[in-house]
Amino acid sequence: QQQVKQSPQSLIVQKGGISIINCAYENTAFDYFPWYQQFPGKGPALLIAIRPDVSEKKEGRFTISFNKSAKQFSLHIMDSQPGDSATYFCAAISPMNTGFQKLVFGTGTRLLVSP
Amino acid sequence: DSGVTQTPKHLITATGQRVTLRCSPRSGDLSVYWYQQSLDQGLQFLIHYYNGEERAKGNILERFSAQQFPDLHSELNLSSLELGDSALYFCASSADGRLNYGYTFGSGTRLTVV
Repeated sequence: QQQVKQSPQSLIVQKGGISIINCAYENTAFDYFPWYQQFPGKGPALLIAIRPDVSEKKEGRFTISFNKSAKQFSLHIMDSQPGDSATYFCAAISPMNTGFQKLVFGTGTRLLVSP
Repeated sequence: DSGVTQTPKHLITATGQRVTLRCSPRSGDLSVYWYQQSLDQGLQFLIHYYNGEERAKGNILERFSAQQFPDLHSELNLSSLELGDSALYFCASSADGRLNYGYTFGSGTRLTVV
């Protein structure tokens, strides 16, 4: 219930191509869905996020598509660049009975954009 | 620089030993979260402190403990270390407990248990 399933585990895309990473969840209590980007030796950094009442959010070359009925969401990176090579994590924010929230992460996708 | 400072960056220690990882949150942030990142488990939530008080526990082993001090820095104590404890340990901070308003990670401490 607390899991977020992410695929693929790794992805190789040519420069200029579209990178697509998919995530699925079960817990309908999740109420916010961020994506994080992590470069080697660094902590995850917030990339883009979406609320479940929105079907799509776009920020520059990054787009989240959200399908509430299917409990699935995905990250699309348009015109992928070598500098996008990183590990991407989908996540979901889970409210806790303490009144606070916690992040539940997917297992990550290692993206390599070839020049 | 994310504003969240973790020390040390790297730590190598032997099985059975005890280590302390330190985290200084961004200025003004009251919440500190600890996460463990291992190759096969992804990022696992360990524990959350808000303004000095423990607020939530995740998959934290009994051999691990944490605290948040009056100056809001936090320490994660790992004892009776096992090989399987080798991982990256991240802390993150937020202004309060509401992650929607920003949740910033430090660069992590890489722990290697030999």
